[in-house]
Amino acid sequence: DSGVTQTPKHLITATGQRVTLRCSPRSGDLSVYWYQQSLDQGLQFLIQYYNGEERAKGNILERFSAQQFPDLHSELNLSSLELGDSALYFCASSPTTGENTEAFFGQGTRLTVV
Amino acid sequence: GENVGLHLPTLSVQEGDNSIINCAYSNSASDYFIWYKQESGKGPQFIIDIRSNMDKRQGQRVTVLLNKTVKHLSLQIAATQPGDSAVYFCAENRSSGTYKYIFGTGTRLKVLA
Repeated sequence: DSGVTQTPKHLITATGQRVTLRCSPRSGDLSVYWYQQSLDQGLQFLIQYYNGEERAKGNILERFSAQQFPDLHSELNLSSLELGDSALYFCASSPTTGENTEAFFGQGTRLTVV
Repeated sequence: GENVGLHLPTLSVQEGDNSIINCAYSNSASDYFIWYKQESGKGPQFIIDIRSNMDKRQGQRVTVLLNKTVKHLSLQIAATQPGDSAVYFCAENRSSGTYKYIFGTGTRLKVLA
């Protein structure tokens, strides 16, 4: 158990809908990262937050947004969902901004858009 | 772009043999590298890391080699076991004012009994 908690584990929704994925980082970790993993592919970096502030942005679509709250949990909002958004979404956390330390991953949320 | 979607390369190894998984990274400015193991349906799990001021680092049954000249990482697993079957990713920690983990495309390791 990495200490990173993601909910829900599975989500099935229709095209055009909006969903929110939730992540609780390890106790004491200030950075949260979001990744998308499509079938049999690598992990695409989406976005990073550090202590409530957006720190780095990757290949995140405009339909997607995220935030980190004062209690350090984070949410990833996906809107106007398309079939191609079906994927595993992982959250990871690290103690600092990410320099020279590994990130710890949650078990992921499997999103299926039908 | 980063992490172009590709069919995962597969390495099949006999149980008890040594495995070598390779990874090429893209940014010469990256100074910290991690190997992750991902089992089916689970999140990536940390295996071993190495900083750019080192060429080699050993863990329990695993060794990571770093060749900065050709921007190449390898993960060696000694006496491969069935439980080692998984997808292995290398990640580079890239700083461009901020730090983020950029993952390679991954290699599927299959251990044959």
